[in-house]
Amino acid sequence: LAKTTQPISMDSYEGQEVNITCSHNNIATNDYITWYQQFPSQGPRFIIQGYKTKVTNEVASLFIPADRKSSTLSLPRVSLSDTAVYYCLVGNQAGTALIFGKGTTLSVSS
Amino acid sequence: EPEVTQTPSHQVTQMGQEVILRCVPISNHLYFYWYRQILGQKVEFLVSFYNNEISEKSEIFDDQFSVERPDGSNFTLKIRSTKLEDSAMYFCASSPLKGQGDEKLFFGSGTQLSVL
Repeated sequence: LAKTTQPISMDSYEGQEVNITCSHNNIATNDYITWYQQFPSQGPRFIIQGYKTKVTNEVASLFIPADRKSSTLSLPRVSLSDTAVYYCLVGNQAGTALIFGKGTTLSVSS
Repeated sequence: EPEVTQTPSHQVTQMGQEVILRCVPISNHLYFYWYRQILGQKVEFLVSFYNNEISEKSEIFDDQFSVERPDGSNFTLKIRSTKLEDSAMYFCASSPLKGQGDEKLFFGSGTQLSVL
């Protein structure tokens, strides 16, 4: 399984764009990149998934460069309610269980 | 929006007692998972389940743990003889497809297990 590395924590202010980068140097050809969000005392929640280039949904954008060795989750105009832990996961074609790392704790202040 | 339901939300038990944590996955989902999270630590994979059998399990999932889908809707995690270190938030998750690394997991709100 490809190991992921992301910053332990980030701070931001309301209204700013936040970019969280995840490194996954050993990603395999058929691996997908998925981001989850977790609020305190709640289960992780799927945010976005991509394979290459750019994916956008109503919550976030995911940028994946051509070499796919990293990915960046972009949260536009964050609010206080975006304060959470964000996890970058790399899935594999064999379909083995998704493994969570320590994630990035995002703190948004007013 | 369909959701994964877990009961109870909190469970307090004495060391050595058996506990059963219950989950109702999303109705058309086929793959089921248990994860746990010790306070302040990362989410840890325990077991995955498909077609009435375990697909994969972690080192944490030893002989004290078992899973069952007793009927068409419930998915349970049993801990036979609880230890203090079993205290954690236990999350159930389900997925419509196994996928090939592109599966999307839907998590419940968790059961906070406290072993005294």
